[in-house]
Amino acid sequence: AQSVAQPEDQVNVAEGNPLTVKCTYSVSGNPYLFWYVQYPNRGLQFLLKYITGDNLVKGSYGFEAEFNKSQTSFHLKKPSALVSDSALYFCAVRDSGGYNKLIFGAGTRLAVHP
Amino acid sequence: KAGVTQTPRYLIKTRGQQVTLSCSPISGHRSVSWYQQTPGQGLQFLFEYFSETQRNKGNFPGRFSGRQFSNSRSEMNVSTLELGDSALYLCASSLGRPGQGNTEAFFGQGTRLTVV
Repeated sequence: AQSVAQPEDQVNVAEGNPLTVKCTYSVSGNPYLFWYVQYPNRGLQFLLKYITGDNLVKGSYGFEAEFNKSQTSFHLKKPSALVSDSALYFCAVRDSGGYNKLIFGAGTRLAVHP
Repeated sequence: KAGVTQTPRYLIKTRGQQVTLSCSPISGHRSVSWYQQTPGQGLQFLFEYFSETQRNKGNFPGRFSGRQFSNSRSEMNVSTLELGDSALYLCASSLGRPGQGNTEAFFGQGTRLTVV
């Protein structure tokens, strides 16, 4: 069965410092991986995706993610965190059974302190 | 370009009642999926529709149902509401056809359902 793990419930980082939000996955076949962000009382906003090609994927708001096949990881990164980046982040993988079903991790709350 | 629109944003219902939630996808998107988000279970897939047909279904009881109309708008219905149905219900639309897994899903702001 496919799954996604986000090992950290919360990540704390000081404004201006680099941030990393971790994600590991388990899939059969080639993974289609996604990162979403959720602000309070809002839906999910798409940040970036990995389908194939370069292992470093660039997305919205200065975020990027590094795909590592050998470690089955897809960590989200940003070189310099902003207080406004504080939110709930979800990693997701497309279900290999076809269609558009997404399997989500439990989410990681990012807190950026001034 | 308008995003995914969900109505209503907030609902309060009593146990035993039924509720209908609505979702209008992004123009041109024919795939619509529904998810339930709760603090305890996280984000769980409910069902997916494409071209008015349910293509995939999550592990939810039969009280949860949905449909899609010819204009791709979708509704989900929950009958005989239980306290545990209190959640944020999210709708997502995608441009991709079933099996075209490389397209991202765009989410609406959700409907917050509270069952009392």
